[in-house]
Amino acid sequence: AQKITQTQPGMFVQEKEAVTLDCTYDTSDPSYGLFWYKQPSSGEMIFLIYQGSYDQQNATEGRYSLNFQKARKSANLVISASQLGDSAMYFCAMRGLFSGGYNKLIFGAGTRLAVHP
Amino acid sequence: DTEVTQTPKHLVMGMTNKKSLKCEQHMGHRAMYWYKQKAKKPPELMFVYSYEKLSINESVPSRFSPECPNSSLLNLHLHALQPEDSALYLCASSQDSTSNQPQHFGDGTRLSIL
Repeated sequence: AQKITQTQPGMFVQEKEAVTLDCTYDTSDPSYGLFWYKQPSSGEMIFLIYQGSYDQQNATEGRYSLNFQKARKSANLVISASQLGDSAMYFCAMRGLFSGGYNKLIFGAGTRLAVHP
Repeated sequence: DTEVTQTPKHLVMGMTNKKSLKCEQHMGHRAMYWYKQKAKKPPELMFVYSYEKLSINESVPSRFSPECPNSSLLNLHLHALQPEDSALYLCASSQDSTSNQPQHFGDGTRLSIL
């Protein structure tokens, strides 16, 4: 069975500091994708970053980077230089498959991040 | 601004009403999805459309009826909903339904059932 675990219900960070949001996963598929999404209180789900299981380098997108440790089955999100606008719920997700090969996004429970001035 | 547009943003309806949620994307994506999200929970997949055909129905009650009129549009028809159906309904799209391409979400429709 495929599963995503986010163990931090809430985190806070001072503005301009870096923060790491934890994510571990479980799958027996050799090919999988890992995603991070941001959801502000307004509701939209914003795609942040993607890591493929065969990617050799850790993914980076601006202030976001993904610390991918395949042997530990972890895919932590690192946000550098936090801004007040980073306050939101963050979801880690993994691409799972239905029979027939159709995509399914399996989400973790989420981590609520609060950035303090 | 999101490239997946959902209307309306908010909807309040009675249990006997019929209404529709609409979703539109112009990214040339061939897979579209409906999710339901309750407060403080992650999204739950409802339906997957691939090349305008319904591919996955995650055991959703028949009071929810999806429709994909063309490759850019996805509707969710609602009829005789229950109070527990109150939630945020999110539409998403991706290049296709079988690759590792990310799903892009709309802003959602906040639905309240009276």
